[in-house]
Amino acid sequence: AQSVTQPDIHITVSEGASLELRCNYSYGATPYLFWYVQSPGQGLQLLLKYFSGDTLVQGIKGFEAEFKRSQSSFNLRKPSVHWSDAAEYFCAVGLQTGANNLFFGTGTRLTVIP
Amino acid sequence: DVKVTQSSRYLVKRTGEKVFLECVQDMDHENMFWYRQDPGLGLRLIYFSYDVKMKEKGDIPEGYSVSREKKERFSLILESASTNQTSMYLCASSFMNTEAFFGQGTRLTVV
Repeated sequence: AQSVTQPDIHITVSEGASLELRCNYSYGATPYLFWYVQSPGQGLQLLLKYFSGDTLVQGIKGFEAEFKRSQSSFNLRKPSVHWSDAAEYFCAVGLQTGANNLFFGTGTRLTVIP
Repeated sequence: DVKVTQSSRYLVKRTGEKVFLECVQDMDHENMFWYRQDPGLGLRLIYFSYDVKMKEKGDIPEGYSVSREKKERFSLILESASTNQTSMYLCASSFMNTEAFFGQGTRLTVV
């Protein structure tokens, strides 16, 4: 069965520091990969996605993620965090064939301190 | 831009009531989804639909049913609401296997 693991429940970083949020997946083939962000009380907004091709993908708000097939990982990065980045971040996996739904990790809550 | 609209942001219902959560999307997407979000559990799929009148159970369908009579509308029904169904409910839609677009969520409290 497919699964998505976000090992960090909560991360605190200082404003201006770099950020890396981890995501590992379990699936027999290369899936479609997504990162979403959720501000308090809001729905989820897509940050970036990987379908194929270049394994380093750029997203909105200065975020990027790198797909590493050998590690089954899709970690999210940002070189300099802003206070407005405080939110919850979800990694998700979609299947290239078969079911059309996404499988989500349990999320990582990001706190940004001045 | 894709818009997914959920009919209510906040709902308070009594135990045993029948509850309807409505979701409408405006991009002609085939797929629509209902997720439930609880702290520490992430998003869990309740039901999804890949076409009108078609539905598939997700991970936690017990206590819920769905209806999709028109392509743009997907309703989640709690037949007899219980306190353990107090949660945030998120609707989403997608085209094929591409990214899902989410509504703002409905925070349901069952008292």
